[in-house]
Parts: sequence; structure tokens; C-alpha cells
Amino acid sequence: GQQVKQSSPSLTVQEGGISILNCDYENDMFDYFAWYKKYPDNSPTLLISVRSNVDKREDGRLTVFLNKSGKHFSLHITASQPEDTAVYLCAAGATGGNNKLTFGQGTVLSVIP
Amino acid sequence: EAAVTQSPRNKVAVTGGKVTLSCNQTNNHNNMYWYRQDTGHGLRLIHYSYGAGSTEKGDIPDGYKASRPSQENFSLILELATPSQTSVYFCASGGQRNTGQLYFGEGSKLTVL
Repeated sequence: GQQVKQSSPSLTVQEGGISILNCDYENDMFDYFAWYKKYPDNSPTLLISVRSNVDKREDGRLTVFLNKSGKHFSLHITASQPEDTAVYLCAAGATGGNNKLTFGQGTVLSVIP
Repeated sequence: EAAVTQSPRNKVAVTGGKVTLSCNQTNNHNNMYWYRQDTGHGLRLIHYSYGAGSTEKGDIPDGYKASRPSQENFSLILELATPSQTSVYFCASGGQRNTGQLYFGEGSKLTVL
């Protein structure tokens, strides 16, 4: 089954608003979590990652929230810009898993002016 | 900056033919990965490697083989290509362990007719 799930295939946000992207996981062994961004015809690039010993990590306009008991993590993008329009992929991995990441299905974020 | 390069970038193959996708990384990373990207599925892991001479099955290995002849090179082999293997394939290398950081190549678009 799908161990990492992004239930929303798409999200549309007004420019300047907050984009909230969600991800759920099933494997209790996952202990680090990441968000990747992918433009069409480009390779995925890491945006931000967190380990399970923290509940929140901020980096500029990006914040990752981790809810371990709910097996859920999210990416918040404040002051969303049209250039944030892309596919966002969440991913999770387990220590000892040789950096093997399991990805979600992806959410297409569209930021409209 | 990690450098992962894939070849060919585009490939059209016939059903039953053999296809080899090649990947080269110049950052001396031990771990390398092959993923495929399909709409609605995100990135799915096909094979991965811990180092030269090793290959491991990922989540969807059926119909694929892998080869890691050296630290730098990791190939994905389709012995008998089928139309269901039409996809975009991404190679990645992993550096620091348990960080969620993978460095992806540009992708190889394969069409099997």
C-alpha cells in the first residue's frame, strides 16, 4: 500500500496567501521527513527536511510541522508567489534505511496573481 | 553542488526491446537510486545501491534490473521493455545519511511503443 500519502492532488492559492500542503504516513519507523519541489521537465529538489525529534522547523517562508502521533506532516508557505507554482512531493525515510526515501503522490500548487 | 547526469534524456523503444538507462554521479556518494515518476503515483523506487557491486530491490522492481559497476555509475536495465514502462525515470544519489537529501538527475523520458 501507499506508505506516504498526499490526499490533495492540487491546491490553488491567491498570491500573498498561505499555502498548506499535507502529507500522511503509515510506517512507524519513519523518523525523518522532507519536502521536495519539482517544476515541469525538471528534477526534484529538496526544500526542507526535519527529523522526528522536532515538531516544527522554519526556513524563511517555509515551515514544516510534524505531528508524530497523528502520523502527519505539513508544509506551510507564507506570502505565496506565482513562482511557487510547482509540484510538491513529500517524502519520509527511516534511520538505517540507507537514505531510501518513500515519496507521496505529489500536490500541484498553483499560485494565482 | 551534487552533480548527477543521466543518459539518454529521451528514448523511444519498441515492445520487447532492451533499454539501458545510465546514471553518473561525481560526488562520491555511496548510495544511488532509480525512481520512476508517473502521474498519480509520485516517485516510486525501483532499485537502489549501497556502493559498487551492490544492487537492492526497491518497491517496484519487477521488469527491471540494475547494475552498479563503480562508485560513479548506476544503470537501470529493461531486458524486455513493455508499454507499461513508459515513464520518466530519475536517478539520484544520497550523501549525508538520514537527512532526506537526495540529489536527482535531470530525468530520462522513456516511451515504449
